[in-house]
Amino acid sequence: DAKTTQPNSMESNEEEPVHLPCNHSTISGTDYIHWYRQLPSQGPEYVIHGLTSNVNNRMASLAIAEDRKSSTLILHRATLRDAAVYYCILRDYGNNRLAFGKGNQVVVIP
Amino acid sequence: DAGVTQSPTHLIKTRGQHVTLRCSPISGHKSVSWYQQVLGQGPQFIFQYYEKEERGRGNFPDRFSARQFPNYSSELNVNALLLGDSALYLCASSLGQGSYEQYFGPGTRLTVT
Repeated sequence: DAKTTQPNSMESNEEEPVHLPCNHSTISGTDYIHWYRQLPSQGPEYVIHGLTSNVNNRMASLAIAEDRKSSTLILHRATLRDAAVYYCILRDYGNNRLAFGKGNQVVVIP
Repeated sequence: DAGVTQSPTHLIKTRGQHVTLRCSPISGHKSVSWYQQVLGQGPQFIFQYYEKEERGRGNFPDRFSARQFPNYSSELNVNALLLGDSALYLCASSLGQGSYEQYFGPGTRLTVT
């Protein structure tokens, strides 16, 4: 499985935007970039995914570098409920296997 | 609509015993995957089943097995439990093979003593 690199942890102030970086320099042409998050005492939750173009949904935005070797998950306005471990995952189309790393622990400060 | 359900919520077993964990996917979902999450780590892929057939297997010993039933629910079985099997076991369901979104259940917390 292709690997991703994320910071171990980040802090953000409540109601401010949060930019979560992810490096994936060995990404292949068929790898989709997925983001999941895991709130305390819960199973992971799908956030967003993309292939080449930037993507937006109700939860977040995903900005993908032109060479696809990095991406950034953007939470537009952090709330206390956004405090979680965020996982950046590469997944080949047609394969349901998600290769989670250690993720990025996001702390939201009131 | 009900989400993914798993049972039991918590379980305590002794080394050498056998355990069966159960998962009911979201209605209409035909694929179920199992993950193991050890404290402080991200989930690790164990199995994926789609239409009752095994479609993927992670790097786990043969003590781990699973199956999917005609109603798409699934069981994960672990034989000859070791202390290192203590973990949160997560089930994820999705519409089909290659679906973009997977929906995770709350997990079963297994403690082996």
